[in-house]
Amino acid sequence: AQSVTQPDIHITVSEGASLELRCNYSYGATPYLFWYVQSPGQGLQLLLKYFSGDTLVQGIKGFEAEFKRSQSSFNLRKPSVHWSDAAEYFCAVGQTGANNLFFGTGTRLTVIP
Amino acid sequence: GAGVSQSPRYKVAKRGQDVALRCDPISGHVSLFWYQQALGQGPEFLTYFQNEAQLDKSGLPSDRFFAERPEGSVSTLKIQRTQQEDSAVYLCASSLEQGAGMGPKTQYFGPGTRLLVL
Repeated sequence: AQSVTQPDIHITVSEGASLELRCNYSYGATPYLFWYVQSPGQGLQLLLKYFSGDTLVQGIKGFEAEFKRSQSSFNLRKPSVHWSDAAEYFCAVGQTGANNLFFGTGTRLTVIP
Repeated sequence: GAGVSQSPRYKVAKRGQDVALRCDPISGHVSLFWYQQALGQGPEFLTYFQNEAQLDKSGLPSDRFFAERPEGSVSTLKIQRTQQEDSAVYLCASSLEQGAGMGPKTQYFGPGTRLLVL
């Protein structure tokens, strides 16, 4: 069965500092991986996705993520965090032939001025 | 439309009351999904439509939950005899057609309906 683990429930970083949010997945074949961001009272916005090809993917708002098959990871990174990045971040995995996505429990990001 | 819209945005129901939640997907999106997001959790899949056909309802937690999409566009999620454990944010998402034997298409989410059952 598929599963997604986001080991960090809450992360606090200073504005301008770098950021890495961890995501590990469990799935036998090549997964389809997504990162979404959710601001308070808002729906989920897609940041980036990995389907195949280059394992380093670029997304919106300066985010990137790297797929590492050997570690079953898809960590999200940003070199310099802005105060507006404070939100909840969700990693999700899908699979061939399946209809739905499996989400992690999310990581809440707080940005300190 | 520009994005997925949902209504109402907030709903307070008394235990035992029936509620109906509406989703308007992005125009042209064949696939529609409903997810339930409990407080402090990630979204969990409820059901999936391709056009008007409900192809997967494996995530519906009980027979009190019912979803429909009669004309292949707008969808309604209905919860009968609401219970306190139904309190959650209900998210709707839409995507281009999910091809058989292919990977999932990107899902675009609405703002959700926050349901509180007292």
